Order: sequence, then structure tokens, then C-alpha cells
Amino acid sequence: GAVVSQHPSWVICKSGTSVKIECRSLDFQATTMFWYRQFPKQSLMLMATSNEGSKATYEQGVEKDKFLINHASLTLSTLTVTSAHPEDSSFYICSARDPSERTDTQYFGPGTRLTVL
Amino acid sequence: DAKTTQPPSMDCAEGRAANLPCNHSTISGNEYVYWYRQIHSQGPQYIIHGLKNNETNEMASLIITEDRKSSTLILPHATLRDTAVYYCIVDTGRRALTFGSGTRLQVQP
Repeated sequence: GAVVSQHPSWVICKSGTSVKIECRSLDFQATTMFWYRQFPKQSLMLMATSNEGSKATYEQGVEKDKFLINHASLTLSTLTVTSAHPEDSSFYICSARDPSERTDTQYFGPGTRLTVL
Repeated sequence: DAKTTQPPSMDCAEGRAANLPCNHSTISGNEYVYWYRQIHSQGPQYIIHGLKNNETNEMASLIITEDRKSSTLILPHATLRDTAVYYCIVDTGRRALTFGSGTRLQVQP
């Protein structure tokens, strides 16, 4: 199957700083990528849909000014957590659809664990 | 979105087949049944999906009932590395996936 990578795999930052997480589709072009977060002992929750060349669509309750998403190319989407606070500590996961597959299977990155001190 | 119902947890002996059930009684005609698993502290891993026919790949088999209201994921020879949370999701494949609580499969040595 297709491969999606994320960088970094983990990051620790101080409260008030910004953190950028990259999501790349390695062997396919993705016009749409999705960003999820997962808190301990919970399931994945969709944060936003990232569309190449246009603005991201955010889920209800997700602050678009805090979680900046840029999808500047067909293989890269970035999520920037601005002015991070301890409550933003979570596991952030991206996914992308491979449009070349008939049924648009989604593939997930390995995740980025963010810890805000 | 069609919703799914899965048992919260299951145990399986190493080397035996693991059969994970999923109910999706409100599935629509154009929705696929997808199975993913999440090993601790990793992103979800795609396993298999199907529309109405049974499917098999190198990882697992998917059995979908004729009325499509339920399905079973079969891991033919479970290993300790198959210990994970397994998610059954029904979707058209063109939207973000909605994850439920899944089934926590514990493979016992």
C-alpha cells in the first residue's frame, strides 16, 4: 500500500511556542489529506481536512487560528500548532487518500507525539 | 455516517484464528467496510476493505454477510504482534474516516 510519513515523530516544546508537523505522501499525490488527534485512551478525532491549493476545512470546535494547516503541494501538508499549551499535548496523525486506487483507500502516517511543558 | 458496533475487547491464543465481528446494520449501498488496526503509539494501519464480496489479502480475510449488515475480520494465525485495537469503519472512501472505540485484541502466548 501507499506510504505516508510524518516528521517529527515526537516533539517536546515549551508553552507558548509554535510547533510544525509535516505530513508527506511518499509514493503518490494526494489532493486531500486529513489531520486527526488522539488523546490517551481515546479514539482518533478528525481535526481538519487539508486541500491542496485551498483553505483547510476545520471540524467544529477546532480553532483554525491555533492549528494552521498548509497544503502547498500534492505531497506535503503541514500542521502548525501555534502558541502551544499543555492541553495541546496529544498524538497527531495525518492520513491521505491514494486517488489512483479505485476505492480511495486512506493511509495513515505513523503519528507525531507532541508534549507541551 | 453508518455506525458500527464492535465488542470492546477479545482474547485470542497465539497461532489460532482471531475472528473479530462488526455490526453495521445501517450501511448504505455505496459504503465500503474498512478495517484498520492501531498498535500502541502508532498510526492506524490499513488491513482490508470490501463492498459486498468476501476479500482476502496477505494480512487477513473479510467476510461480509449477504445483507451487508455485519462482517467479520479473520486473522488466520494470530501472533503476538497482532495485539492491537481493531477498527471497523463503513464509509464511501471519499471522506475522512470516523473512528469508533474499536476492539482491543489481546493475543495470548
